[in-house]
Amino acid sequence: DIQLTQSPSFLSASVGDRVTITCRASQDISSYLTWYQQKPGTAPKVLIYTASTLQSGVPSRFSGSGAGTEFTLTISSLQPEDFATYYCQQLDTYPVTFGQGTRLEIK
Amino acid sequence: QVLLQESGPGLVRPSQTLALTCTVPGGSISTDNYYWTWIRQPAGKGLEWIGRVYATGDTKYSSSLKSRVIISVDSSKNQFSLKLSSVTAADTAVYYCARFVAVPGPRDIRYFDLWGRGILVTVSS
Repeated sequence: DIQLTQSPSFLSASVGDRVTITCRASQDISSYLTWYQQKPGTAPKVLIYTASTLQSGVPSRFSGSGAGTEFTLTISSLQPEDFATYYCQQLDTYPVTFGQGTRLEIK
Repeated sequence: QVLLQESGPGLVRPSQTLALTCTVPGGSISTDNYYWTWIRQPAGKGLEWIGRVYATGDTKYSSSLKSRVIISVDSSKNQFSLKLSSVTAADTAVYYCARFVAVPGPRDIRYFDLWGRGILVTVSS
């Protein structure tokens, strides 16, 4: 199975900060990397798919980049509603796998 | 936004079979390029993909769960189902159903675009 490792696992930041979360894959997954945001008690919501495509309706402060084994999710200017847990997911090869998550909290 | 809807018992006894159903609104379960998926999340932990089914009945499963899992589809009812046998306390989790979109092309599109609200299943005697 392909392992996805996110870093950091926990991130404390302030409104207005620029933050970057990294996801590393244990083997080449081309661009089949998706980013999700999850808030407590709710289902995950897709932010970015195919590594860098912004899902319709998602604010442009979110962006994704990368290919192969290293990917990043960047939030250019944190808003209060962005404090949540973020997961990466690979859809290159079955079985589908997720990263362990990055919890983003208010400093 | 239209959501998928999970249903089933919230309590399952150890060694029994967990059985959940997901209802797909709008009759889209047979649409090309849609795969129907189960994911679970233990309290305070991350997401675990369980498996998926296509309208033809083709399935793919998690490596760690495949010996205990069956996912099936009933197109006439616009539903797909999960059965997980021989459950233990470690199977206690919120179970989500989701739609996996996989559209081939010059740059394939692949992501989970619709989710249910999730259903908490507790394994306990």
